[in-house]
Amino acid sequence: QVQLVQSGAEVKKPGSSVKVSCKASGGTFSSYVIIWVRQAPGQGLEWMGGIIPILGTANYAQKFQGRVTISADESASTGYMELSSLRSEDTAVYYCARAGYSNSWLDHWGQGTLVTVSS
Amino acid sequence: SSELTQDPAVSVALGQTVRITCQGDSLRTYYAGWYQHKPGQAPLLVIYGKNNRPSGIPDRFSGSSSGNTASLTITGAQAEDEADYYCNSRDSSGNHYVFGTGTKVTVL
Repeated sequence: QVQLVQSGAEVKKPGSSVKVSCKASGGTFSSYVIIWVRQAPGQGLEWMGGIIPILGTANYAQKFQGRVTISADESASTGYMELSSLRSEDTAVYYCARAGYSNSWLDHWGQGTLVTVSS
Repeated sequence: SSELTQDPAVSVALGQTVRITCQGDSLRTYYAGWYQHKPGQAPLLVIYGKNNRPSGIPDRFSGSSSGNTASLTITGAQAEDEADYYCNSRDSSGNHYVFGTGTKVTVL
């Protein structure tokens, strides 16, 4: 079965960067869209961006343009999300998820990674 | 518009039926996905497309769509259905994804 396993929790200082990984198993990694979603405390789910590994091109939500970089290593079946210039408002649980190329929905999710930004 | 709007909260008596709606212009073009989200867990896809359930999702969950509105219905709600529910779809351009504002379902 498809599994997405994310890297562990992080504590970061304001102004620094964080890179979260998402390793896929049990499916064809490259043919899907790997999407990153976050949920800040008390807030809803928020789409950050996504990448189709076989194409290598990512697109991002306007809100995160210039601060987020989404990438993928096909050989390792792993996706990455790097967020820079961290501020306290970036404290959130970050999820990776998988979507079919022509679909809107996300059929498998990682377990989530808590990123805490604190001085 | 790239927004998907949901009612903030609904309640349902144990064993009764509840419908959650999701409104947005992009739903005229793209089907929605529906997710159950419980504290400390990853979101779980419960309905996708026209009205499809992933393997393992009880058949008390069903979906429908008309115009700019997608709906999730829980028929015979159980205590374990208490959770936040989110819809999602593409935005009107098709290039980005968007989530609904979320609905907290309380089972009384």
